[in-house]
Amino acid sequence: KAGVTQTPRYLIKTRGQQVTLSCSPISGHRSVSWYQQTPGQGLQFLFEYFSETQRNKGNFPGRFSGRQFSNSRSEMNVSTLELGDSALYLCASNLLAGGADTQYFGPGTRLTVL
Amino acid sequence: GQQVMQIPQYQHVQEGEDFTTYCNSSTTLSNIQWYKQRPGGHPVFLIQLVKSGEVKKQKRLTFQFGEAKKNSSLHITATQTTDVGTYFCAVSRNSGNTPLVFGKGTRLSVIA
Repeated sequence: KAGVTQTPRYLIKTRGQQVTLSCSPISGHRSVSWYQQTPGQGLQFLFEYFSETQRNKGNFPGRFSGRQFSNSRSEMNVSTLELGDSALYLCASNLLAGGADTQYFGPGTRLTVL
Repeated sequence: GQQVMQIPQYQHVQEGEDFTTYCNSSTTLSNIQWYKQRPGGHPVFLIQLVKSGEVKKQKRLTFQFGEAKKNSSLHITATQTTDVGTYFCAVSRNSGNTPLVFGKGTRLSVIA
């Protein structure tokens, strides 16, 4: 099976812009989780989607949003970018919804906000 | 919310030495998972522990889950340069629909 794919791999934006990241989970996996990884804060949970519904949400401002499509592909959007949003954004797919399932991570999107 | 403390934050060892990282929680855990992230890479699942006192081995890696299900350890025997990376524990308080909470990780450097 192909692994989790994320596009784009690298992105440079300026403050105030918005960005959309895409994630395609492993075929057959219906749950997608998004994480923000920074050197200082580690892996921070953003949200989880299962069958197009947001099942869980982390403690991030409303500028961070996401959605999942019927084919399980997911997108996350960050509006009004801030310098502190510079991070590696990781998508993970799971066979079932629920944090106890093994997370299969994609390579991530490295976002730099200037 | 669920908190998990992982120590040490950094560990530098000579190749051939042993290495241990610990993960501690103030609350009882449903299960614990361990992941490894190589420099420039993404986290990769290593193992999941579910039972109290459980011990699992993968070649030179030994994983333990505490009797009270509040702590866990990952021990690497005779480290190699291929062991370099950051090791994360991830916990969930309940089985099922609860997001994983990741520890801050232990970054392992191996000096040849």
